[in-house]
Amino acid sequence: SQQGEEDPQALSIQEGENATMNCSYKTSINNLQWYRQNSGRGLVHLILIRSNEREKHSGRLRVTLDTSKKSSSLLITASRAADTASYFCATDAGAAGNKLTFGGGTRVLVKP
Amino acid sequence: GAVVSQHPSRVICKSGTSVKIECRSLDFQATTMFWYRQFPKQSLMLMATSNEGSKATYEQGVEKDKFLINHASLTLSTLTVTSAHPEDSSFYICSAWGLHDYNEQFFGPGTRLTVL
Repeated sequence: SQQGEEDPQALSIQEGENATMNCSYKTSINNLQWYRQNSGRGLVHLILIRSNEREKHSGRLRVTLDTSKKSSSLLITASRAADTASYFCATDAGAAGNKLTFGGGTRVLVKP
Repeated sequence: GAVVSQHPSRVICKSGTSVKIECRSLDFQATTMFWYRQFPKQSLMLMATSNEGSKATYEQGVEKDKFLINHASLTLSTLTVTSAHPEDSSFYICSAWGLHDYNEQFFGPGTRLTVL
């Protein structure tokens, strides 16, 4: 079953704008990961944030984690048309062989 | 980074036939492999966890006799969809986890199964 929800389900922005999406989860976690998936393709790992971290950056990506609220956000700055994809958060509760539980995903469309 | 491959990338079969999908870790030993199913515009749903040399652990609601999983070596896991039906049409994705990469799973490119 899915750990939680992502918000919004879909997002349409102009190139150059920032895109923010949120992920909420239900149980305690070891870490939370964000993935990108282009239509009909596999997953690309973007960033992993551990439960004792609050913020992490990677290029144009910024991820925050608030364990008290059981939520995370992914910010893509200065978006490009190539950022058009679905974005998923996934939580690792640290048990059962690192099983990941995925959120529902946010479909992002960046218009040129 | 580590590479995981899947074969075939796309398969179309007739209802009632069985289809085997392979997942390989190309440059590391995967002690655990995971199989996910993804329906259009939906998220990934974990089907089963496969540990090398032991029986797979299936998630609730996944029929183990329909989705046979074999993880005979540290670099190969297979998923066989037996007696496939149109409702089994989906995108199947595997991921692999190795001892040297705690916390990070590496995902294959997926297999698109269409059952006619």
